[in-house]
Amino acid sequence: QKEVEQNSGPLSVPEGAIASLNCTYSDRGSQSFFWYRQYSGKSPELIMSIYSNGDKEDGRFTAQLNKASQYVSLLIRDSQPSDSATYLCAVNIGNQFYFGTGTSLTVIP
Amino acid sequence: GAVVSQHPSRVICKSGTSVKIECRSLDFQATTMFWYRQFPKQSLMLMATSNEGSKATYEQGVEKDKFLINHASLTLSTLTVTSAHPEDSSFYICSARDPRDRIDEQYFGPGTRLTVT
Repeated sequence: QKEVEQNSGPLSVPEGAIASLNCTYSDRGSQSFFWYRQYSGKSPELIMSIYSNGDKEDGRFTAQLNKASQYVSLLIRDSQPSDSATYLCAVNIGNQFYFGTGTSLTVIP
Repeated sequence: GAVVSQHPSRVICKSGTSVKIECRSLDFQATTMFWYRQFPKQSLMLMATSNEGSKATYEQGVEKDKFLINHASLTLSTLTVTSAHPEDSSFYICSARDPRDRIDEQYFGPGTRLTVT
């Protein structure tokens, strides 16, 4: 079983809609969780980090963490074409990052 | 946030030659840096953890004699791909942690696209 799993997509949403991205992880001892956005040919850039159960909001982005169910999700409100990218979920396990395979998101104008 | 640079951004080399990639933390001292490799349409795979002043820790399946890592200073780590082959063509990305951070975020460099012909 992989440490971090994501639905690879592709996920397509119309402009202005809410995009929902999900991630599950295997290690119950994980303490920190991250969502990165990666444009084609570029390195990842941090979107959100979350450490506690519940929701964390930053602008149009909301990260949700449920440690009991071992999942973390990212909601993007009012999706824009510029949000089209691959979104990587990362989990810190034993001082190392483990990445999911990424979900490809396309926002259709 | 902290800034990490990589050089070169893109390199093409012939099969059998060696290539060195530099990773620098520009505004902080990084005792630990990480090297990742990413093949097309795949996720980042950790290759090794680079520790200043000591030997790197390689992930299972990564040949330490082929991918030489040197972390000689608190702001510089280098990855040398020795005797490169076409299958080594990939996107190599380094990252670093800022020890001043209270969180364990990793700051990524812009990546190096290696093409071996």
